[in-house]
Amino acid sequence: DAGVTQSPTHLIKTRGQQVTLRCSPKSGHDTVSWYQQALGQGPQFIFQYYEEEERQRGNFPDRFSGHQFPNYSSELNVNALLLGDSALYLCASTRSPEGGYTFGSGTRLTVV
Amino acid sequence: LAKTTQPISMDSYEGQEVNITCSHNNIATNDYITWYQQFPSQGPRFIIQGYKTKVTNEVASLFIPADRKSSTLSLPRVSLSDTAVYYCLVGVDSGYSTLTFGKGTMLLVSP
Repeated sequence: DAGVTQSPTHLIKTRGQQVTLRCSPKSGHDTVSWYQQALGQGPQFIFQYYEEEERQRGNFPDRFSGHQFPNYSSELNVNALLLGDSALYLCASTRSPEGGYTFGSGTRLTVV
Repeated sequence: LAKTTQPISMDSYEGQEVNITCSHNNIATNDYITWYQQFPSQGPRFIIQGYKTKVTNEVASLFIPADRKSSTLSLPRVSLSDTAVYYCLVGVDSGYSTLTFGKGTMLLVSP
């Protein structure tokens, strides 16, 4: 079963740097959403991509940007990293319009 | 968006039945109730979803009263591996929707 695959699993960056996280959706899924989960909190919605366009966006600054490729895979980019960006970044995929989300195991980003 | 309220934490022992209740007073007519389970450093995993009355699968049962203002996730005969955070979500289930998570309920199962 080709579930949601995220890379890398762990990452350490320095304040001010830029980072790119990658996600391959579950087979058959065409919609990808990204979530940020700080320690002890529930996941918070960053944005959603469908047909290579950002369809919805949560309350995150423009430092957070993304991209979806023709094969439905997606990237999350974060510029000018802050210590507060340290979190588990989760990718979730689904098929529009049916719904039903599958999450990846996440990328643990540590900003020092 | 309908807000949910659930206990921050619960403790149980192996073999017991665990019931986690979630309040969602402002649930809309088209909203479904979905529960996810999350282990440390993993993504949330779908457990069960329902609209009204009772739903049962191989993992859990979901009880929803007629007014739909609350729901109860029931885990029969829990084991140590059921130690996790459980999230109750309310919303329309479609590819266009986004998931709104609260802080969830941390369930600790002890021997």
